[in-house]
Amino acid sequence: QVQLVQSGAEVKKPGASVKVSCKASGYTFTGYYMHWVRQAPGQGLEWMGWINPNSGGTNYAQKFQGRVTMTRDTSISTAYMELSRLRSDDTAVYYCARDTYYYDSSGHRNWYFDLWGRGTLVTVSS
Amino acid sequence: EIVLTQSPGTLSLSPGERATLSCRASQSVSSSYLAWYQQKPGQAPRLLIYGASSRATGIPDRFSGSGSGTDFTLTISRLEPEDFAVYYCQQYGSSRMYTFGQGTKLEIK
Repeated sequence: QVQLVQSGAEVKKPGASVKVSCKASGYTFTGYYMHWVRQAPGQGLEWMGWINPNSGGTNYAQKFQGRVTMTRDTSISTAYMELSRLRSDDTAVYYCARDTYYYDSSGHRNWYFDLWGRGTLVTVSS
Repeated sequence: EIVLTQSPGTLSLSPGERATLSCRASQSVSSSYLAWYQQKPGQAPRLLIYGASSRATGIPDRFSGSGSGTDFTLTISRLEPEDFAVYYCQQYGSSRMYTFGQGTKLEIK
């Protein structure tokens, strides 16, 4: 079964770090980039960045540069997102999602997220 | 960075009615790079439309997408009870970066 299984909820104090995992199954882990998206309570979706599981290369949204680190362990088909120097406004559900593309009739790549994890709630509170 | 602005913020309609949701980009976006997602409470987003107008696998044909340039639309022709949710547009940008609109909440009137 093609799925992404995320680690469980976390409660952290301000200034601490959190590391969320995302285990892929049912497909070739190194064949798809993995993205991280977060959603604060009652708010919209915010893209954080991606990791290329094949090379380990990363690209982060400017907002998170210097605080986020995305890694992977190909031996267990798992991606990780670590966020440091946590603040109360980092309280959110963190999702992993893979992207893919489809060639349309004009030969253009149509990009989208086709598979999502169920999310991991990270609560930052003193 | 391209900003996506969705309107309205909240749309109140009854089952059986037609819903029209808008997504406007701050700069022109290739239709190939525009997708729509549905999110229900406590669930991850689900892909509805990609390439601005192509329905994802298993999505009912009452959902349709259209538009080009800076203006895109998601239309639900006849609302079913299960369609009441939050909808997001998304665009793919350079270096495989993505941005989302702020969402439109579709609620039962």
